[in-house]
Amino acid sequence: QVQLQESGPGLVKPSETLSLTCTVSGGSISSYYWSWIRQPAGKGLEWIGRIYTSGSTNYNPSLKSRVTMSVDTSKNQFSLKLSSVTAADTAVYYCARDSRSYGYFDYWGQGTLVTVSS
Amino acid sequence: QSALTQPASVSGSPGQSITISCTGTSSDVGGYNYVSWYQQHPGKAPKLMIYEVSNRPSGVPDRFSGSKSGNTASLTISGLQAEDEADYYCSSYTSSSTVVFGGGTKLTVL
Repeated sequence: QVQLQESGPGLVKPSETLSLTCTVSGGSISSYYWSWIRQPAGKGLEWIGRIYTSGSTNYNPSLKSRVTMSVDTSKNQFSLKLSSVTAADTAVYYCARDSRSYGYFDYWGQGTLVTVSS
Repeated sequence: QSALTQPASVSGSPGQSITISCTGTSSDVGGYNYVSWYQQHPGKAPKLMIYEVSNRPSGVPDRFSGSKSGNTASLTISGLQAEDEADYYCSSYTSSSTVVFGGGTKLTVL
């Protein structure tokens, strides 16, 4: 059974960089697209972007200038960096596997709350 | 990219049917048969309920069905049950090789 687990600081200061890692267990990270999705409290889902195991990426145009994703196949991990954060970036961040490359998110992490505050 | 448009809320009584709409553009919903629907209970991660407009993953009850006409996709839940009360989100692949979600619909089972 594939499992995903997000990890990283739960509190980030304004203007700094948010960094999260998703560790995949129970299966290989290879040959799949891996996405980050966030959800502010009481609000809807927002797709942040995705990375293929080759390193190829696609980002949400509204966040593209601040987002960087990377993958480490040797550790079965992929990561998110979001720079110049503000309070508007406070949200639960999910990592998810896209098995078919078009938004077929069949496995999700439990989500991790990141708060942006000084 | 703009979020797909969903009604904020819908409601129905047990046993009834409800339909949730999801409206996009020809660059997303209307251009691809890559619409998915997710169910999210409070405090939980979303769960895939429908993919490729009308297909159900293994384990999803056949009470859940999906369709699409033009730029609008729909999720229908028949024979409503108390456990169906949740938030529902549509998503679509886009012409920019990205994914866009709808704003979400809160389903209340009366």
